[in-house]
Amino acid sequence: NAGVTQTPKFQVLKTGQSMTLQCAQDMNHNSMYWYRQDPGMGLRLIYYSASEGTTDKGEVPNGYNVSRLNKREFSLRLESAAPSQTSVYFCASSEYSTGPYYGYTFGSGTRLTVV
Amino acid sequence: KQEVTQIPAALSVPEGENLVLNCSFTDSAIYNLQWFRQDPGKGLTSLLLIQSSQREQTSGRLNASLDKSSGRSTLYIAASQPGDSATYLCAVRGGGSQGNLIFGKGTKLSVKP
Repeated sequence: NAGVTQTPKFQVLKTGQSMTLQCAQDMNHNSMYWYRQDPGMGLRLIYYSASEGTTDKGEVPNGYNVSRLNKREFSLRLESAAPSQTSVYFCASSEYSTGPYYGYTFGSGTRLTVV
Repeated sequence: KQEVTQIPAALSVPEGENLVLNCSFTDSAIYNLQWFRQDPGKGLTSLLLIQSSQREQTSGRLNASLDKSSGRSTLYIAASQPGDSATYLCAVRGGGSQGNLIFGKGTKLSVKP
């Protein structure tokens, strides 16, 4: 009954380092999403994958890349971390992107600090 | 561009009160609206999902209403408890090929014993 699992839960990076945030869901959902949450800004969409094999940019994609590894897994990569990427990152999944009647399920988040 | 606003930003009430949280959105062409709860340092827990064709949804002490034509939703919490203290987020799922979820900034609720 795991739902959406994110790893790691916490991470501290130095400016310029790279890392990959992992996300996996066990609900057989087609669509997966990456959001970031910042104080005063709310949650903003970084990238999404409507179905296996497709990815698209959201509202704030600069500085990030994604990979939809298979139906279960959707990773977010920071190639050269910057302090502006200090945030809490949430992964989510939903049944269909183009079938809009389903809700989203969120993971517990990754708290990333870039120093 | 869809914008979601939640008022008030923060609310403090004594235990036992009934309360209403408000959410408004600028584009009424939505597919559904979802209310979430977020505890400090935690993820988002889905509370209620209302389809655009529905007027309200209920779960226990929670009742969410939707007036799509006026771009408004309310979350009603009956007989509030200290355990209800959290941030409540409203999000709408828009139209088009993306249909992605757009969030308000939340209402931080504190229920005092």
